[in-house]
Amino acid sequence: AQSVAQPEDQVNVAEGNPLTVKCTYSVSGNPYLFWYVQYPNRGLQFLLKYITGDNLVKGSYGFEAEFNKSQTSFHLKKPSALVSDSALYFCAVSPFGNEKLTFGTGTRLTIIP
Amino acid sequence: NAGVTQTPKFQVLKTGQSMTLQCAQDMNHNSMYWYRQDPGMGLRLIYYSASEGTTDKGEVPNGYNVSRLNKREFSLRLESAAPSQTSVYFCASSERDYSSTDTQYFGPGTRLTVL
Repeated sequence: AQSVAQPEDQVNVAEGNPLTVKCTYSVSGNPYLFWYVQYPNRGLQFLLKYITGDNLVKGSYGFEAEFNKSQTSFHLKKPSALVSDSALYFCAVSPFGNEKLTFGTGTRLTIIP
Repeated sequence: NAGVTQTPKFQVLKTGQSMTLQCAQDMNHNSMYWYRQDPGMGLRLIYYSASEGTTDKGEVPNGYNVSRLNKREFSLRLESAAPSQTSVYFCASSERDYSSTDTQYFGPGTRLTVL
């Protein structure tokens, strides 16, 4: 069975600093990996995904994520944080060829002005 | 193009009452999903439907039933609500069927409280 770990419940970053939200996964075979963001009282919004190819994936709002197969990680990054990036972030994984996603428990990102 | 819509947005039930959560998508997607979100537990899949007329259990199906009424609509029914079903419920849809993983698009959620 697949699983996702987001080791940090809360991440605080000063505005303008780089940010990283961590994600590690466990899955049989090649993974499909996703990042979603949830703003208060809203549904989840898709940010980016890794299917195959280049290990660095670029997504919405200036976010990117790096797939590292040897470390089974898919960390979310942004070079310069904005206050508007404050939200709850979810990593999700699915085995290749299976549409059922498994979500992590989420990381609350707070950008401090 | 509204994407995925859910009704109602909020609901309070008493233990033992029944209700149906409605979900509709206008993206002509094949697959639809129901999740529940609980603090510290992320999202957990309740049921999903790969196509019209088919439904399958997810991780936490007990206490729920679903109906894929047509390609657009996928409803979730609580026959006898319990306090443990207090949660935020999200509906999602994706374009493809079982053959591959595709991006899922989420509705705004229904916040359900069972007293």
